[in-house]
Amino acid sequence: SAVISQKPSRDICQRGTSLTIQCQVDSQVTMMFWYRQQPGQSLTLIATANQGSEATYESGFVIDKFPISRPNLTFSTLTVSNMSPEDSSIYLCSTRTAKTEAFFGQGTRLTVV
Amino acid sequence: RKEVEQDPGPFNVPEGATVAFNCTYSNSASQSFFWYRQDCRKEPKLLMSVYSSGNEDGRFTAQLNRASQYISLLIRDSKLSDSATYLCVVTPGGSNYQLIWGAGTKLIIKP
Repeated sequence: SAVISQKPSRDICQRGTSLTIQCQVDSQVTMMFWYRQQPGQSLTLIATANQGSEATYESGFVIDKFPISRPNLTFSTLTVSNMSPEDSSIYLCSTRTAKTEAFFGQGTRLTVV
Repeated sequence: RKEVEQDPGPFNVPEGATVAFNCTYSNSASQSFFWYRQDCRKEPKLLMSVYSSGNEDGRFTAQLNRASQYISLLIRDSKLSDSATYLCVVTPGGSNYQLIWGAGTKLIIKP
């Protein structure tokens, strides 16, 4: 299993600013995933982050808007850049191996005003 | 067509009732299947994996029909604490790590 500490748990930000979300895992993991969950909707994968390489972004998400760092096997950050109200959402980090369940951080509830 | 589709919700059922959720997936190469539960304002957590032969865990039964690309979850003798959103999750063909998430079905158990 893996325990992920995610912070901040929530934030209210001004449009045009940036927010960096951090996830710390209690064990070394190969892959970390960043998701966005709009109210009442399911999880949408933003990108997959491997240690030592550039993150792989899904269609509709770009590195300039959502830069990701993965400096080691226990830590990752996602930055939401130049925020607009449309970025208001819940952001979740996650990890899993090929044969395990997915484990999640507690989520970051972002409101952009 | 969405890769994973679930029954729209919410389902409002009385305590003690049996409730069934359905899910279909579009990628015939999908290998692994799961049901996750998400409580309000919480992260998703694994409820159960779904095996080809079907599997049961207490009041919960999951079934997979590969030919029809269909997954189901049955909850018997529902409890108030079963109120949550149930997410159908599938691994895409060719990837063992990524997960494709359904939109979820919200279940509300009433006393």
